[in-house]
Amino acid sequence: GESVGLHLPTLSVQEGDNSIINCAYSNSASDYFIWYKQESGKGPQFIIDIRSNMDKRQGQRVTVLLNKTVKHLSLQIAATQPGDSAVYFCALYNQGGKLIFGQGTELSVKP
Amino acid sequence: EPEVTQTPSHQVTQMGQEVILRCVPISNHLYFYWYRQILGQKVEFLVSFYNNEISEKSEIFDDQFSVERPDGSNFTLKIRSTKLEDSAMYFCASTTAYTDTQYFGPGTRLTVL
Repeated sequence: GESVGLHLPTLSVQEGDNSIINCAYSNSASDYFIWYKQESGKGPQFIIDIRSNMDKRQGQRVTVLLNKTVKHLSLQIAATQPGDSAVYFCALYNQGGKLIFGQGTELSVKP
Repeated sequence: EPEVTQTPSHQVTQMGQEVILRCVPISNHLYFYWYRQILGQKVEFLVSFYNNEISEKSEIFDDQFSVERPDGSNFTLKIRSTKLEDSAMYFCASTTAYTDTQYFGPGTRLTVL
């Protein structure tokens, strides 16, 4: 079956630095990927998505990169702020429309 | 901005009791989902629902679970006889099309004693 894995369970960065969170997936047929942010006690919040016909997509301070050759996805956060502290999940859609989530990376931003 | 809402935010129940978790999806959305997250773990799919019937369900979604859309706005998850291992955060999500972004509610924390 499909699986999604994250490379690091925790990441600590200094405020103002860039953060990179990585994710790997197993199913080469996956064609839609989403990054979610989850703050303590809250539901997953959509950050950015990317479809398999693209390799890069940018939002406000966030960039998602997709490398289909090695089945790797990354989220880059520019100028990380204390408000970015949260758990970040990558997720992919399977053919049935359900989301398969990775384990999550907890991002801590040091002031 | 429209959002998914869920009630209650926290439900405490005794093992063996029935619970109903409620969700109000975003109003123009057609696809509805329940996910759960055991403390410290990843979010897991439970069930998807479209056109008043279940589209897909996971192995977790056994005969003790059921979903319903009793009216035009609510979407409920019922657990008939709760077990200790049902303790988790339960998230409702909705989307306009099954290939589009799913938007999540704030969750209901279910504690089974």
